[in-house]
Amino acid sequence: NAGVTQTPKFQVLKTGQSMTLQCAQDMNHNSMYWYRQDPGMGLRLIYYSASEGTTDKGEVPNGYNVSRLNKREFSLRLESAAPSQTSVYFCASSDGSANTGELFFGEGSRLTVL
Amino acid sequence: GQQLNQSPQSMFIQEGEDVSMNCTSSSIFNTWLWYKQDPGEGPVLLIALYKAGELTSNGRLTAQFGITRKDSFLNISASIPSDVGIYFCAGQLGGYQKVTFGTGTKLQVIP
Repeated sequence: NAGVTQTPKFQVLKTGQSMTLQCAQDMNHNSMYWYRQDPGMGLRLIYYSASEGTTDKGEVPNGYNVSRLNKREFSLRLESAAPSQTSVYFCASSDGSANTGELFFGEGSRLTVL
Repeated sequence: GQQLNQSPQSMFIQEGEDVSMNCTSSSIFNTWLWYKQDPGEGPVLLIALYKAGELTSNGRLTAQFGITRKDSFLNISASIPSDVGIYFCAGQLGGYQKVTFGTGTKLQVIP
């Protein structure tokens, strides 16, 4: 069972470069999320997609864009990377339709911006 | 926006000791959740709470959903080395709503 798969797992960028983090889930979940994790800050929501065809901003959306490509895939794009975006990024999915709140996370993508 | 404050931020305990951590919110939630993150991995759900006042156990873990719906706590009894990790609380208002996470409690267990 793959669950939630994120690529790449590691990436080093120079300031100003762009990149896209890919995420795919095979659990037929409706909702998908992108979080970033920084020391002492916990998990902060960047964007989420409650269902296919919708996306909404979370706490820290500036500098990011997302695309809900289909029910399975939700990508996160950094158009012009900045050192402040050095972080560990987690994609997650949930059923959404039931009042469970249970998120299934990927293994994370570790991004360094020089 | 909603903010979840967890305490303590970190703790060192002796193996076999009990642990208690809590989470408070500036606004209400209808679902409270507790996750654990092992080093180098994504968080995994430990316990979910759906009703104010609810007390739920999962093995050595016990969690409660506060009556005001603005807080929750997690207890771990008789800690063991594999309890090491970061524990996150999280709240959700309802289905299809975003899930907001706390700042985490880092637990280290001394054998």
